[in-house]
Amino acid sequence: KQEVTQIPAALSVPEGENLVLNCSFTDSAIYNLQWFRQDPGKGLTSLLLIQSSQREQTSGRLNASLDKSSGRSTLYIAASQPGDSATYLCAVPPSGNTPLVFGKGTRLSVIA
Amino acid sequence: EAQVTQNPRYLITVTGKKLTVTCSQNMNHEYMSWYRQDPGLGLRQIYYSMNVEVTDKGDVPEGYKVSRKEKRNFPLILESPSPNQTSLYFCASRRLAEAKNIQYFGAGTRLSVL
Repeated sequence: KQEVTQIPAALSVPEGENLVLNCSFTDSAIYNLQWFRQDPGKGLTSLLLIQSSQREQTSGRLNASLDKSSGRSTLYIAASQPGDSATYLCAVPPSGNTPLVFGKGTRLSVIA
Repeated sequence: EAQVTQNPRYLITVTGKKLTVTCSQNMNHEYMSWYRQDPGLGLRQIYYSMNVEVTDKGDVPEGYKVSRKEKRNFPLILESPSPNQTSLYFCASRRLAEAKNIQYFGAGTRLSVL
């Protein structure tokens, strides 16, 4: 059964720092990998989706990489801002028709 | 605007009183699902549906029912709610079987069962 782990569980950084969030998964047979952002008490917003055939995706200050063979993905946030404070979750579906399996998230605080 | 809409956003009820949380999407997605989110446990899937009249159990289906009579709607039904169903619930939808398709989430329904 697929398991997704995110480390660290919480992270606090000063504004302007570049940072990396980590996601690992136990079964490399994934369909894609998605990174989401969740603000307190709110829904999830999709940030980036990497298809299994891709190595990385970029959106603005965010860059996500995928290494299927090692079961890892990283989310790189450049020049962090207080508005980036949120919980970041990664999720993988084992195949196109199966449910997403989520990590428990990394709670990020960016201090002004 | 692409949307997944859940109602209500907040609900307080008592043990045993049947309730329904509605979910609607305007993107013509085949796949819809319900999750619950609890501290320390993360997001767990309750039920999902791959098309009209097709539903399947997720990881934590006990105590819940769903129906998919129309493509756009996927209500979550608690026939006899209990306090252990107090949680934050999310509805989600996406297209089926395309690796580039992202999953959209509703804003969530915070349910308290007293």
